[in-house]
Amino acid sequence: QKEVEQNSGPLSVPEGAIASLNCTYSDRVSQSFFWYRQYSGKSPELIMSIYSNGDKEDGRFTAQLNKASQYVSLLIRDSQPSDSATYLCAVNNGNNRLAFGKGNQVVVIP
Amino acid sequence: EAQVTQNPRYLITVTGKKLTVTCSQNMNHEYMSWYRQDPGLGLRQIYYSMNVEVTDKGDVPEGYKVSRKEKRNFPLILESPSPNQTSLYFCASSLGVSSYNEQFFGPGTRLTVL
Repeated sequence: QKEVEQNSGPLSVPEGAIASLNCTYSDRVSQSFFWYRQYSGKSPELIMSIYSNGDKEDGRFTAQLNKASQYVSLLIRDSQPSDSATYLCAVNNGNNRLAFGKGNQVVVIP
Repeated sequence: EAQVTQNPRYLITVTGKKLTVTCSQNMNHEYMSWYRQDPGLGLRQIYYSMNVEVTDKGDVPEGYKVSRKEKRNFPLILESPSPNQTSLYFCASSLGVSSYNEQFFGPGTRLTVL
């Protein structure tokens, strides 16, 4: 089992709709969880971090963490064309490294 | 401006010709790391450094070397590049080794080895 899995293919959402992204991880001792956004040809930039179970909201973004089920999700409300990007889930299990999922491409259709 | 810089941004080279990609951060970060990103494989860590003179292997260290002689710099060295090292490379840094520290990424270096 891969450390961090993002299985969904490209996600197309109409402008104004909610985009929902999921990520599962294999190491139960994982401590911190991050969502990065990466525009084509650019570097990843952090949009959300979450460390404890539950929801964390920041503007139009909400991260949800469920350690018992070992998943973390990202909701993007009121999706805008500028949200079109690849979203990377990253997990830190305390051994000095981040493990990344392969990413989910989101396309917001005007 | 707080940032991570990488040079060069683009490089085309030939097999076996030694090259160095520089990485520098101005945030006084202790932790620095190199990743490569390939289609279908995502971001994979090559090497990381927790502080000056402290480096360790990541997931894909073969064919790469690093050094950390100064806190701000963390160059990536390819002694004898091969075509399978054609990739997009990112340097990243964070304040410390705590798992809660955000990693900041440089702009990337696109390397092509012919």
